[in-house]
Amino acid sequence: NAGVMQNPRHLVRRRGQEARLRCSPMKGHSHVYWYRQLPEEGLKFMVYLQKENIIDESGMPKERFSAEFPKEGPSILRIQQVVRGDSAAYFCASSRAGGSNQPQHFGDGTRLSIL
Amino acid sequence: GENVEQHPSTLSVQEGDSAVIKCTYSDSASNYFPWYKQELGKGPQLIIDIRSNVGEKKDQRIAVTLNKTAKHFSLHITETQPEDSAVYFCAALKAAGNKLTFGGGTRVLVKP
Repeated sequence: NAGVMQNPRHLVRRRGQEARLRCSPMKGHSHVYWYRQLPEEGLKFMVYLQKENIIDESGMPKERFSAEFPKEGPSILRIQQVVRGDSAAYFCASSRAGGSNQPQHFGDGTRLSIL
Repeated sequence: GENVEQHPSTLSVQEGDSAVIKCTYSDSASNYFPWYKQELGKGPQLIIDIRSNVGEKKDQRIAVTLNKTAKHFSLHITETQPEDSAVYFCAALKAAGNKLTFGGGTRVLVKP
């Protein structure tokens, strides 16, 4: 019974490059959330998606960041033209349903480093 | 929006002693309060949660209490063990919402 799978675990990019982070939810889960964690801080919500739909992107920076959760395949968080400030751990969570009815379970994250 | 404050930021206890972490939230519409444990290099792991219609919940050595009137909730770990050493996060979620708002975390060190 695999948990939330994220890859890669570590990603190094140079300024100006693109970063693609992937997340496969737990089996039976169709709700995906992305959070960002800066060093020594708590997690900050970025975006909430269901299959093929972005439900809430209120935590996403307006530029360079996008997310998708296609009908087939993992959810993708894409960061274009990365800058030093994008260095962080990015966590994906999934749940069986939205709202407070079902808990969110997290993957082990992708640690993004920008050179 | 919701704001969650967590205290203390670090906590050192002797093995066998109890550890208590406290959180306050600002939005009275929040009704679900999970606690996560995060070990180095890992993602947050859900250890216990409580809903606003319950005042206390216990699971073995871990318990959580909720005071809706005061808008605060606490995590209690009894008979601490070295493997309890980790960073613990509280969070809050509104009934009609989807995004967890996290506290700043508490780094717990259990000394053998």
